[in-house]
Amino acid sequence: GQQLNQSPQSMFIQEGEDVSMNCTSSSIFNTWLWYKQDPGEGPVLLIALYKAGELTSNGRLTAQFGITRKDSFLNISASIPSDVGIYFCAGLYNAGNMLTFGGGTRIMVKP
Amino acid sequence: DTEVTQTPKHLVMGMTNKKSLKCEQHMGHRAMYWYKQKAKKPPELMFVYSYEKLSINESVPSRFSPECPNSSLLNLHLHALQPEDSALYLCASSQHPTGFQEQYFGPGTRLTVT
Repeated sequence: GQQLNQSPQSMFIQEGEDVSMNCTSSSIFNTWLWYKQDPGEGPVLLIALYKAGELTSNGRLTAQFGITRKDSFLNISASIPSDVGIYFCAGLYNAGNMLTFGGGTRIMVKP
Repeated sequence: DTEVTQTPKHLVMGMTNKKSLKCEQHMGHRAMYWYKQKAKKPPELMFVYSYEKLSINESVPSRFSPECPNSSLLNLHLHALQPEDSALYLCASSQHPTGFQEQYFGPGTRLTVT
């Protein structure tokens, strides 16, 4: 099925670093959601965005709904070891509430 | 409270077995979803229930049979599965079936078909 273009696919972090990831689409979305998934667990909702240009924070996480409605960004400030996991963006494009997911960004700790 | 619960956590079944996965939410949500997730991939939608009625079936094989006994419960009945059906099965819910609303996921059932 259709996927959003999410980048980077993976990245290594060192504790204290800031992390950025984004999702882009050729189509307009009306809602952007960001989830984090730990191994063997279900995705946990981090941030929901409903308006173009909206900037929303949740602790050390900040996400933005792109002004064109075709992209979204997630930033993690001052990363800590428990930030390790897979982050998925997801968009809602019609009133049927069906999610379109990005391919995921896997965050790992530098050895 | 935004909790969706799923049982069992893990399930191993043979190709001739019949088993069921269960999902429950007490948030008063009227839309519930089943997703299948393979390793290192995003979740793939299987079924959507709106107000306890099946509204979307994403061309899922008939060996998967969903059921929504009431507004809080969602089951997925499994029969004659194939090894390639091994995956993490996720249940999710949202407040309404329409509108641009967030979905909350359960912890998933890790299914292995032998």
